Amino acid sequence: DSGVTQTPKHLITATGQRVTLRCSPRSGDLSVYWYQQSLDQGLQFLIQYYNGEERAKGNILERFSAQQFPDLHSELNLSSLELGDSALYFCASSAGDRSPLHFGNGTRLTVT
Amino acid sequence: EDQVTQSPEALRLQEGESSSLNCSYTVSGLRGLFWYRQDPGKGPEFLFTLYSAGEEKEKERLKATLTKKESFLHITAPKPEDSATYLCAVQARYGGSQGNLIFGKGTKLSVKP
Repeated sequence: DSGVTQTPKHLITATGQRVTLRCSPRSGDLSVYWYQQSLDQGLQFLIQYYNGEERAKGNILERFSAQQFPDLHSELNLSSLELGDSALYFCASSAGDRSPLHFGNGTRLTVT
Repeated sequence: EDQVTQSPEALRLQEGESSSLNCSYTVSGLRGLFWYRQDPGKGPEFLFTLYSAGEEKEKERLKATLTKKESFLHITAPKPEDSATYLCAVQARYGGSQGNLIFGKGTKLSVKP
């Protein structure tokens, strides 16, 4: 058990809808990362937050947004969903810049 | 552009048959190289971090090594429970991806009894 909790585990929704994915980092970790994993692309970095502030952005679509709250949990919001957004979404947390990332078990999003 | 290439894509071994997985990388100053194991339906599980060329780390039947351009994950006398996808990732010191992990697509290892 990595200590990172993601909810929900599965999400099925229709095109055009909006969903929110939630992540609770390991106790004491200030950094939260979001990754998308699809079969053909592998793990793709989306966005990083550090102690409530956005720190880095990767290949995140404008339809996607995230935030980190004062209690350090994070939410990833996906809107105007398309079929191609179907993927596994992972949250990870770390203790610092040179520390490894510890991943949750992901949210599997299916857009129909 | 920072990138990571892993080979082979898939590897089938008999129990006890040792082998190596390769991770080649190009990065704007290497801050660290990470190995993860991922089981189906689960998140990646951290195995090792390597920071400089010549460094080696070991854990049970796994040994990771690092050069200036690649890393190897050596598996000695594997068991069926070692079957998983092994992911390599690099963390850049400079540039747009600074601080974040850039992952390879992984090597899917199957160990048959």
